[in-house]
Amino acid sequence: QLQLQESGPGLVKPSETLSLTCSVSGGSISSTGYYWGWVRQPPGKGLEWMGSLSYSGSTYYNPPLKSRVTMSLDTSKNQFSLKLTSVTAADTAVYYCTRHRPPAPLTVWGQGSLVTVSS
Amino acid sequence: EIVLTQSPGTLSLSPGERATLSCRANQSVSSYLAWFQQKPGQAPRLLVHGASSRAAGIPDRFSGSGSGTDFTLSISRLEPEDFAVYYCQQYGSSPYTFGQGTKLEIK
Repeated sequence: QLQLQESGPGLVKPSETLSLTCSVSGGSISSTGYYWGWVRQPPGKGLEWMGSLSYSGSTYYNPPLKSRVTMSLDTSKNQFSLKLTSVTAADTAVYYCTRHRPPAPLTVWGQGSLVTVSS
Repeated sequence: EIVLTQSPGTLSLSPGERATLSCRANQSVSSYLAWFQQKPGQAPRLLVHGASSRAAGIPDRFSGSGSGTDFTLSISRLEPEDFAVYYCQQYGSSPYTFGQGTKLEIK
């Protein structure tokens, strides 16, 4: 059974870069047709899809975040990562890593990682 | 970008009652519509995909319907564990978008 686990700093200073990693177990990120992505949820608010990418190189980012987001895969570690630059307090959220296989929805989720942006 | 609007924002019902949640899109998403349930401190759980197909392990009291722009999630007989927040999501075109959520609370 595929499992995802987020990891990374829980506190990031304003204007710095938020970096998270999602470790994949029970499956390979090199599997054909699957997309690996991120969803975030500010405290007490709704869900925001940030983007996803595939092993083949296809990448989709949510336009409002596109200028600040980079997602990548590390096949040697079976992990994928998220980088979000120039963070502000508005980027404080629980960040979930996800997997889906288009045209299916987000079927697998990590447990989530709270990142707080504060000095 | 496809905007999803959920209604009502909050639904107050008692166990055993029937719940009807709505999700409306500002343009057609065909049947690329999913419903998720989220409880406090937990990741969302997929309930329904393809507008009407239950995900694996989801009780049959949950049912989805609709296509195009209007969708409904129905819960036939509410159990105590069903009180949570429900989100719809379209995955037909990027960017994937979520509705703002409906909170189902105990009356």
